[in-house]
Amino acid sequence: QSALTQPPSASGSPGQSVTISCTGTSSDVGGYNSVSWYQQYPGKAPKLMIYEVTKRPSGVPDRFSGSKSGNTASLTVSGLQAEDEADYYCSSYAGSNNFVFGGGTKLTVL
Amino acid sequence: EVQLVESGGGLVQPGGSLRLSCAASGFTFSTHWMHWVRQGPGKGLVWVSRTNDDGRSTSYGDSVKGRFTISRDNAKNTLYLQMNSLRVEDTAVYYCARALSSAKSAFDSWGRGTLVTVSS
Repeated sequence: QSALTQPPSASGSPGQSVTISCTGTSSDVGGYNSVSWYQQYPGKAPKLMIYEVTKRPSGVPDRFSGSKSGNTASLTVSGLQAEDEADYYCSSYAGSNNFVFGGGTKLTVL
Repeated sequence: EVQLVESGGGLVQPGGSLRLSCAASGFTFSTHWMHWVRQGPGKGLVWVSRTNDDGRSTSYGDSVKGRFTISRDNAKNTLYLQMNSLRVEDTAVYYCARALSSAKSAFDSWGRGTLVTVSS
């Protein structure tokens, strides 16, 4: 159960797009279409933004999108806004009813 | 409105025990898988444990296997985490989270968390 690999930081200017990667193995990210993404503000609980690689829960802006290629999943935030500045975590099903999170990426809106 | 409220956190010495609770409301608790996720101070999210809807199937992260036990009481709409042989590295905010019925790997509702501090 090794943590998924995310870049520690990412940044972009308002209106730009930014993509955050999440790299695992064929035993987790690559093996299942069960990648989720969470947004977390300091001192707050995480919020589900994307699930099953590409699906958006009700209420999540369509500026947030997900994709996957091989063992790497990605979260893209288009039309960056100031309120998008937060920590983002990916997670994946890892088989045998186990789950794993990534180390997190701090997104800064310049 | 879905609500998850954790309780039971606090200060405990290394080697000690603690039981966390998570009171659920606003949804049919007995039809959802439930999880515990923790976050150490200044660190990332770590999946701790999961139980299926009737509590008969459970799973654990490697770092807590053999020391922590997840359980649920569907009559009381409450999730539990019994933590034994606590270590300093177990210090964290512990969140309970609900999994979507349609996508069990997606945690769509979270509590505010309860802080567990393991220190002498």
